[in-house]
Amino acid sequence: DAGITQSPRHKVTETGTPVTLRCHQTENHRYMYWYRQDPGHGLRLIHYSYGVKDTDKGEVSDGYSVSRSKTEDFLLTLESATSSQTSVYFCAISVVAGGTDTQYFGPGTRLTVL
Amino acid sequence: GENVEQHPSTLSVQEGDSAVIKCTYSDSASNYFPWYKQELGKRPQLIIDIRSNVGEKKDQRIAVTLNKTAKHFSLHITETQPEDSAVYFCAASSNTGKLIFGQGTTLQVKP
Repeated sequence: DAGITQSPRHKVTETGTPVTLRCHQTENHRYMYWYRQDPGHGLRLIHYSYGVKDTDKGEVSDGYSVSRSKTEDFLLTLESATSSQTSVYFCAISVVAGGTDTQYFGPGTRLTVL
Repeated sequence: GENVEQHPSTLSVQEGDSAVIKCTYSDSASNYFPWYKQELGKRPQLIIDIRSNVGEKKDQRIAVTLNKTAKHFSLHITETQPEDSAVYFCAASSNTGKLIFGQGTTLQVKP
């Protein structure tokens, strides 16, 4: 499982409240990613990070922000949650080995916004 | 930007038959094409990948083929088993490392 954990694993919150999801890795990989998964859409990239304090937007970044103050932690924040952000959120890391770059996923966080 | 289309959205086969899932991509700079399997309630797991310098790759009962000219790639599963039942996702990326996923195919293998 490439040493990736996510917390919380499940969360129910109300519209308008802030929410922060945490992704933690134990192997000092440089690249980390946040995706959301919705039926009929596959996995869509929200934000990614290529190092401490280095982040960039993905294809569905509106309404989300991220921070990476330590190599091992990548935080995803919904400043004011909306019902459209109800989804399953997956963190991923890139493992570079033998000249190849492969992404591995965390266990996911199921977020429900009421 | 890059777009990946995946077909079919659902696929039902008898145990022992073969299954084929196809994906097309739009960005000619794409050079990495992984396939993920996701069981219900679980994380996506990488099952096979291919890079643009090869046309085919096999790993036991699964294989992936790539046609760069036509910009499509396919997953082939032979001798399907009930435990192959899952959702399969294709993806594509260029040197940016950002993966763009297809919409997924739900494969059902009937005993």
